[in-house]
Amino acid sequence: ELKVEQNPLFLSMQEGKNYTIYCNYSTTSDRLYWYRQDPGKSLESLFVLLSNGAVKQEGRLMASLDTKARLSTLHITAAVHDLSATYFCAVGRTQGGSEKLVFGKGTKLTVNP
Amino acid sequence: GAVVSQHPSWVICKSGTSVKIECRSLDFQATTMFWYRQFPKQSLMLMATSNEGSKATYEQGVEKDKFLINHASLTLSTLTVTSAHPEDSSFYICSATSWGRGVAFFGQGTRLTVV
Repeated sequence: ELKVEQNPLFLSMQEGKNYTIYCNYSTTSDRLYWYRQDPGKSLESLFVLLSNGAVKQEGRLMASLDTKARLSTLHITAAVHDLSATYFCAVGRTQGGSEKLVFGKGTKLTVNP
Repeated sequence: GAVVSQHPSWVICKSGTSVKIECRSLDFQATTMFWYRQFPKQSLMLMATSNEGSKATYEQGVEKDKFLINHASLTLSTLTVTSAHPEDSSFYICSATSWGRGVAFFGQGTRLTVV
């Protein structure tokens, strides 16, 4: 059974600081996703990581993937208040012709002024 | 990215009634749609996978007679919560994809409250 563990679950940080969210998964996967969710809203896709060593950056967020360690990280650089949200990683596995996603529990990020 | 529209965004219903939630892919043909449930402050749990024209595949522990899924066309899937109870109150989210598209796109979610 594929398990996805995310940590920390809660993260409170000050503006301007850097931090990393970790996502570990238990078995090999096809893809690794990062999503953002604002309160009461659906998921916003941030990154899709396809292969070992993949690194993607968008603004203050950078995601990386180490398939050998079964680890992905989401690094936040010089955080700003607008980044406050819950971040989910999800691991995709193809079963029966379609890719199913297994989500981590999410990291609630609060950026304080 | 592609657009997936979910309707309604929120619904309140009485216990014992049924509620239908629609998920539409607006600019592509979705061969596969997924339905998730998210309880407050928790993660998304996959309920079922539906492929156009065939019966949905339900995840373990999800009652197929309670959560009826229909994927009759390449742009529409529906989830009907039958005989709803307060414990069915949750945020329901659909996602859609197609062969060759790779990633799935999420609808905006439906907040169901059963009173």
